[in-house]
Amino acid sequence: GENVEQHPSTLSVQEGDSAVIKCTYSDSASNYFPWYKQELGKRPQLIIDIRSNVGEKKDQRIAVTLNKTAKHFSLHITETQPEDSAVYFCAASTYFGNEKLTFGTGTRLTIIP
Amino acid sequence: EPEVTQTPSHQVTQMGQEVILRCVPISNHLYFYWYRQILGQKVEFLVSFYNNEISEKSEIFDDQFSVERPDGSNFTLKIRSTKLEDSAMYFCASRQDGDYGYTFGSGTRLTVV
Repeated sequence: GENVEQHPSTLSVQEGDSAVIKCTYSDSASNYFPWYKQELGKRPQLIIDIRSNVGEKKDQRIAVTLNKTAKHFSLHITETQPEDSAVYFCAASTYFGNEKLTFGTGTRLTIIP
Repeated sequence: EPEVTQTPSHQVTQMGQEVILRCVPISNHLYFYWYRQILGQKVEFLVSFYNNEISEKSEIFDDQFSVERPDGSNFTLKIRSTKLEDSAMYFCASRQDGDYGYTFGSGTRLTVV
């Protein structure tokens, strides 16, 4: 089955700086890669996703890049703000209708004011 | 925006007791899931459900677990005889046919004492 590794487990950055979180996956059939933000005690919230037919996607301060050959994808947050502090999870799925998400182990991002 | 609704938000139960966690998926979604998250850990897949039957289940989803869609709107997870290690946040999720994105409910925190 799919295995998703995520690094780093914790990340502290100064407000205004950029943050990068990286994930690798094992199943070359995976073709959908969402990123979730989870605040303490809350549900995972989808912040951005990418499908395997594109290499990069951007939404304002958030971007995701995908390297299918190397089987890794990354989340980039620019101009970080205190409200970006949360746990971020990457995930992978093989979309053939009913496929589950396999999550990474999470990154606790702390933005230092 | 449509939401996935879960009840109760918090359930405390004695070890060995049965619990039923309830979910109301988004009305036009066809794929339903249960995930769990032990405190401080990653989100783990339990089971997927489509067309009134289980599509896939993980190793965690043993004979103590069952799912039902009793009335066309609710989607329930039953744990027959709870163990201490079942203590976790349980998330329901649903997805529309043809859509990659999963919508998560707000979760039920299960505490087994």
